[in-house]
Amino acid sequence: SQTIHQWPATLVQPVGSPLSLECTVEGTSNPNLYWYRQAAGRGLQLLFYSVGIGQISSEVPQNLSASRPQDRQFILSSKKLLLSDSGFYLCAWSSLMGNQPQHFGDGTRLSIL
Amino acid sequence: GEDVEQSLFLSVREGDSSVINCTYTDSSSTYLYWYKQEPGAGLQLLTYIFSNMDMKQDQRLTVLLNKKDKHLSLRIADTQTGDSAIYFCAGSSGGSYIPTFGRGTSLIVHP
Repeated sequence: SQTIHQWPATLVQPVGSPLSLECTVEGTSNPNLYWYRQAAGRGLQLLFYSVGIGQISSEVPQNLSASRPQDRQFILSSKKLLLSDSGFYLCAWSSLMGNQPQHFGDGTRLSIL
Repeated sequence: GEDVEQSLFLSVREGDSSVINCTYTDSSSTYLYWYKQEPGAGLQLLTYIFSNMDMKQDQRLTVLLNKKDKHLSLRIADTQTGDSAIYFCAGSSGGSYIPTFGRGTSLIVHP
């Protein structure tokens, strides 16, 4: 069966520090991968998605970036965090075929001080 | 693009049925999903329905789809305190692999 792992679970970082959140998927090949942010208002904001190694689409301009160095690995990064980057970050995967449900990781709670 | 709307809160008594409603705008939506999010956790896929179906039942969960009104509902029978969570409706259309999510309905179950 397929599993998705996301870490760390919680992170407290000072303003201006770098960020690296990692997500890996097991039990499937060529997944579509996604990064979402969920603010206090509960809505999900799609940040990045990827349909293959090295292929990244950005939905929202910001100081975050994403990379996909391997088929089942998706990384969310920042060189300098802002206070507004605080939130709950969720990684998800779906089958390469369209109209398949997304499956989410457990999330990372990021607090910027 | 697709727009998905949900009411923000629902409060029910333990043992009653809960009905969470969702409306969507894209008539070509082919897959509609329900997710559950417990506090501090990710979204868990509960169930999904294809647009060529009117109803889907899975144990205590019943999904009803009214394509004419573009209305989707999730009924939870015999609601328990463990059902307290945020429930998200989502829909995708055509060949898109990116669903549109509603803002979520917070279900509060009280004794």
